[in-house]
Amino acid sequence: GDSVTQMEGPVTLSEEAFLTINCTYTATGYPSLFWYVQYPGEGLQLLLKATKADDKGSNKGFEATYRKETTSFHLEKGSVQVSDSAVYFCALRTEGGSEKLVFGKGTKLTVNP
Amino acid sequence: EAGVAQSPRYKIIEKRQSVAFWCNPISGHATLYWYQQILGQGPKLLIQFQNNGVVDDSQLPKDRFSAERLKGVDSTLKIQPAKLEDSAVYLCASSDGTSGRFGETQYFGPGTRLLVL
Repeated sequence: GDSVTQMEGPVTLSEEAFLTINCTYTATGYPSLFWYVQYPGEGLQLLLKATKADDKGSNKGFEATYRKETTSFHLEKGSVQVSDSAVYFCALRTEGGSEKLVFGKGTKLTVNP
Repeated sequence: EAGVAQSPRYKIIEKRQSVAFWCNPISGHATLYWYQQILGQGPKLLIQFQNNGVVDDSQLPKDRFSAERLKGVDSTLKIQPAKLEDSAVYLCASSDGTSGRFGETQYFGPGTRLLVL
């Protein structure tokens, strides 16, 4: 079935450091890919998405490129801030597959000043 | 624009008791989802409604969980009787479907944190 694998957390960085959170997927159909973020005490919110191969999603300085050849959608940010501290979830939804939004386990990011 | 509302925010019950959660989606959103998020895991879809009809409830434990969406607006999720393993955050989400079915954005509420003792 469809699945998402994220890098194990937690991840702790200093402010202005470079961030990469790895995400790979297995899908029976042709997926759309998403990154959701959950700030402390809040619900999940969409950070960015890509719906076809080679698309790049971007928002708030975060980027992720849909790589069909490596089945990956890694999240990157060039310079993290304390306010980026949150849990990040990679997810997919597949046309022709299970059709559910399937999430990874999440990666907790802490950014220290 | 008001977001997805959920209540209560926290609930503590003993096993074998029953509990109900309420969700009010964003106005005009036809699709409503209930997810279960166990600590340390990603959300898992329990049930999806399109207006007041069920689209997918394949992962809903129907022997103890039930959900309804009367009039196609707000929804309730019930657990009866609760088990220890039901301790989790229950998330409600809604979408309007205008971004295309598989690329659409789901908007999540703050969740209800349930602890079963």
